[in-house]
Amino acid sequence: EAGVAQSPRYKIIEKRQSVAFWCNPISGHATLYWYQQILGQGPKLLIQFQNNGVVDDSQLPKDRFSAERLKGVDSTLKIQPAKLEDSAVYLCASSFSTAGGSYNSPLHFGNGTRLTVT
Amino acid sequence: GENVEQHPSTLSVQEGDSAVIKCTYSDSASNYFPWYKQELGKRPQLIIDIRSNVGEKKDQRIAVTLNKTAKHFSLHITETQPEDSAVYFCAASRNSGYALNFGKGTSLLVTP
Repeated sequence: EAGVAQSPRYKIIEKRQSVAFWCNPISGHATLYWYQQILGQGPKLLIQFQNNGVVDDSQLPKDRFSAERLKGVDSTLKIQPAKLEDSAVYLCASSFSTAGGSYNSPLHFGNGTRLTVT
Repeated sequence: GENVEQHPSTLSVQEGDSAVIKCTYSDSASNYFPWYKQELGKRPQLIIDIRSNVGEKKDQRIAVTLNKTAKHFSLHITETQPEDSAVYFCAASRNSGYALNFGKGTSLLVTP
């Protein structure tokens, strides 16, 4: 089974520039998550999609971050404009679980995109 | 929302010893508690999980215990090996489809 694919692997940008990350989840996984992991901390949820709808974006800084999953498969996360504090690893994860279901299936993570904002 | 506290933040043990990492959670509706291992520069990987209808689960050298009344759960690693060295994260979530809330992680170092 192919895993969660993310690109790019690394990105260095200057503050106030924009950046986009791409994620392709495991085939058949309805739910897709974007997490932000700052160095030395646990992953923090930014946004959760089920198919092409948003389930939870309460922690997404909507003034600068946006995300979409137009066809219910691939997803992109964008930051515009970037700030120094956005330096982190951005992890995409997917799972078979859907909201309202009766079973939590595990989250499978991609390798992440390491963003450095200078 | 859910708040997951994890401790210790760092743990150093000698090879062959046991390691215990503890987590507490705040949301009494949480019923799924996975543990992830993250090696340096790599993705978090699920090592074991437990659901609220089970008090303990074991997989070879790894075990997890859950006390729903006290709202805490623990990871136990026995006969530790150098390759167990990594950052371990606990997490909690509600029913299917809810996102995981992670603890801040425990950096485990196993010295030969």
